[in-house]
Amino acid sequence: SQTIHQWPATLVQPVGSPLSLECTVEGTSNPNLYWYRQAAGRGLQLLFYSVGIGQISSEVPQNLSASRPQDRQFILSSKKLLLSDSGFYLCAWIQQDPTDTQYFGPGTRLTVL
Amino acid sequence: DAKTTQPPSMDCAEGRAANLPCNHSTISGNEYVYWYRQIHSQGPQYIIHGLKNNETNEMASLIITEDRKSSTLILPHATLRDTAVYYCIALSNDYKLSFGAGTTVTVRA
Repeated sequence: SQTIHQWPATLVQPVGSPLSLECTVEGTSNPNLYWYRQAAGRGLQLLFYSVGIGQISSEVPQNLSASRPQDRQFILSSKKLLLSDSGFYLCAWIQQDPTDTQYFGPGTRLTVL
Repeated sequence: DAKTTQPPSMDCAEGRAANLPCNHSTISGNEYVYWYRQIHSQGPQYIIHGLKNNETNEMASLIITEDRKSSTLILPHATLRDTAVYYCIALSNDYKLSFGAGTTVTVRA
């Protein structure tokens, strides 16, 4: 069966510090991968998605970046965090079939102080 | 993706059916209607999806109107564990889910 992992589960970082969140998927190959952010009390905002290694599409311009160094690994990064980067970050995957379901990881709760 | 509209909140009595409406008047022919729910501090959980026909699985039923401009998610026997935010999404083949504010469902004993 397929599983999706995210780490860390929680993170508290000072403003201006770097960020690296990791997402890995097991039990599947060549998935589409997604990063979402959910601010407190808000819906999910799609940040990045990737259809393959090295292929990243950005949905919202901001100080975050994403990379996909391996087929089942998706990384969200920032060189300098802002207070507004606080939120709940979710990674998700889907097989390359528009009728398939999208499965979400457990999320990383980031607090920038 | 088509924009969806849901009521911000609703209450439901435990053991009763919960009917969650969703409007998607601008949905196009190739867009599926998906429902997810999110329990506090967890990742969204897939519930059900459909294109034209009504669908049923072990969690819920999905009723889509004939013109596909609206749908209803039915939780047949709501339990306290069904308390969550429920999202209705219209997904096309660009693979990108766009979540709105959803409906906060509170199941009361």
